[in-house]
Amino acid sequence: QSALTQPASVSGSPGQSLTISCTGTSSDVGGFNYVSWYQQHPGKAPKLIISDVSKRPSGVSNRFSGSKSGNTASLTISGLQAEDEADYYCCSYAGSSTYVFGGGTKLTVL
Amino acid sequence: QVQLQESGPGLVKPSETLSLTCAVSGYSISSGYYWGWIRQPPGKGLQWIGNIYHGGSTYYNPSLKSRVTISVDTSKNQFSLKLNSVTAADTAVYYCARKPTTEDWFDPWGQGTLVTVSS
Repeated sequence: QSALTQPASVSGSPGQSLTISCTGTSSDVGGFNYVSWYQQHPGKAPKLIISDVSKRPSGVSNRFSGSKSGNTASLTISGLQAEDEADYYCCSYAGSSTYVFGGGTKLTVL
Repeated sequence: QVQLQESGPGLVKPSETLSLTCAVSGYSISSGYYWGWIRQPPGKGLQWIGNIYHGGSTYYNPSLKSRVTISVDTSKNQFSLKLNSVTAADTAVYYCARKPTTEDWFDPWGQGTLVTVSS
């Protein structure tokens, strides 16, 4: 069970859109539609922002959206805002009631 | 509104056992859900440790399974983590979180507690 692969960092200007990828295998991301995404600000606990690949929990901005193709899931943030600067983590169900997280991506708003 | 709060020693010696408790408020553990532990080494990513169902069924990360025990105490509305034979690599912020029974995501999370393994 290896960690899912995410880019270490991404950056964008206010108003722009950007996408964070999360690559796994057919045993996790590719095998199930159970990918979730978490936003973590410095010194804070992670916060759920996307569940089941593309579902947005109540209260989460519609600027966040998720998708999946094959073994890669993606988180897209549109209309980038300063408050979006944070670390983002993907997580996938990996079978047998186990879970695997990605290594995390640091988003910088320029 | 459900809230989770981790507690336990912030410093553990190498080869000893790390013990943490997660107190749950605003929801009765015995009513359902899975309850999990996730950790984050300083400056690094998240690692799922394991989950426990209110009835006691447990599921562990294969890489930690030989050293981990998660238990639940419904009378105190809390669940616990024990990790034995710790090394410096187990130094991390440890989070507890709730997972819906038929869903595969974690929410909410506790604030986390830093555990340092050092002599």
